[in-house]
Amino acid sequence: RKEVEQDPGPFNVPEGATVAFNCTYSNSASQSFFWYRQDCRKEPKLLMSVYSSGNEDGRFTAQLNRASQYISLLIRDSKLSDSATYLCVDRPKGNQFYFGTGTSLTVIP
Amino acid sequence: GAVVSQHPSRVICKSGTSVKIECRSLDFQATTMFWYRQFPKQSLMLMATSNEGSKATYEQGVEKDKFLINHASLTLSTLTVTSAHPEDSSFYICSASKDLNTEAFFGQGTRLTVV
Repeated sequence: RKEVEQDPGPFNVPEGATVAFNCTYSNSASQSFFWYRQDCRKEPKLLMSVYSSGNEDGRFTAQLNRASQYISLLIRDSKLSDSATYLCVDRPKGNQFYFGTGTSLTVIP
Repeated sequence: GAVVSQHPSRVICKSGTSVKIECRSLDFQATTMFWYRQFPKQSLMLMATSNEGSKATYEQGVEKDKFLINHASLTLSTLTVTSAHPEDSSFYICSASKDLNTEAFFGQGTRLTVV
């Protein structure tokens, strides 16, 4: 079983739509989670950390559900510039980073 | 966020030659650096985890003699692809982390083409 699993998509949504991605993790002891964004042929960039109580940054909301072992990312009012691949990351121990395969999002005009 | 610089951004080399890629953390000391490879339209694949002053930990299936990693200081790690072959052509990305539980910051990546 993979440490982190994501639905690869693709998700094609119209501008202004709300879209949500989920990511499941296998290690119940994991403490640190992150969402990264990767544009085509570029390196991943940190989008936001995921806190236990949930956190929001503008149009982006991240949630952690420990009981079901998943994290989620909600994007409201989608913009064309949100088109990218979104990667969830689980950092169960200090020297390990596990990336999901990424979820592809295309926002359509 | 913190800055990680990777060099070169693009390299073309002949089969059988070796290529060295550098990864530097510019404004912080990185206790750990990670090396990834990414083929087109595929996910990041962790190759190895590099700790300063100690041997790198390689993921299963990654040949340590082919992908030499040196983490000589808290701000520099290098990946050398030895005796490169066309199948080694890929996007190689490094990332660095300040400490054990925080996020990692990525270098810009190196696009390697072996001809």
